[in-house]
Amino acid sequence: DGGITQSPKYLFRKEGQNVTLSCEQNLNHDAMYWYRQDPGQGLRLIYYSQIVNDFQKGDIAEGYSVSREKKESFPLTVTSAQKNPTAFYLCASSGITYEQYFGPGTRLTVT
Amino acid sequence: AQTVTQSQPEMSVQEAETVTLSCTYDTSENNYYLFWYKQPPSRQMILVIRQEAYKQQNATENRFSVNFQKAAKSFSLKISDSQLGDTAMYFCAFMKDNAGNMLTFGGGTRLMVKP
Repeated sequence: DGGITQSPKYLFRKEGQNVTLSCEQNLNHDAMYWYRQDPGQGLRLIYYSQIVNDFQKGDIAEGYSVSREKKESFPLTVTSAQKNPTAFYLCASSGITYEQYFGPGTRLTVT
Repeated sequence: AQTVTQSQPEMSVQEAETVTLSCTYDTSENNYYLFWYKQPPSRQMILVIRQEAYKQQNATENRFSVNFQKAAKSFSLKISDSQLGDTAMYFCAFMKDNAGNMLTFGGGTRLMVKP
């Protein structure tokens, strides 16, 4: 089946530790995106990549880093510099049409 | 910068009835796209409907339709014959043309369909 996978579904970390969230797609999409969602709020763009080996900061990139070494993969690292990392993280991708398709999300809890 | 506003934090509707969710946006662009996404309790974001700004005809997808008023910068979603499975958060989103397909989301409307 074609789609976007994110793993794990739930992730727990201690404060001060870096953590990497996985996002993989087999839709052959060029563009990929990371969003953060806080309770009761909309999505905010963290980083996006329109092509392999290239990515740009979104609205709330501070404390996050990404890489795009393969077309299929766009991992997000939440660093210890991110002041409020506990949130729901959604990955998306888009192809030649403009619609974005989303993965199931990862719930990150940092204590 | 674009902003998207959803003025109804919560709404409820009886099963089989019709409900309209509001969305307004602010932009100086002439070419853009508008979307409604649904986020059920599973939290998976699902595309419901899209509208190209250059199209005057309102988009429809089965029980879902939009009322796109470009001059008023308004983009409401009408759900007809509401079903229990329509219970979800609904997000309105804006995308500039030729801007890397980046979405700007509204804050969402929580819709409860009551039996």
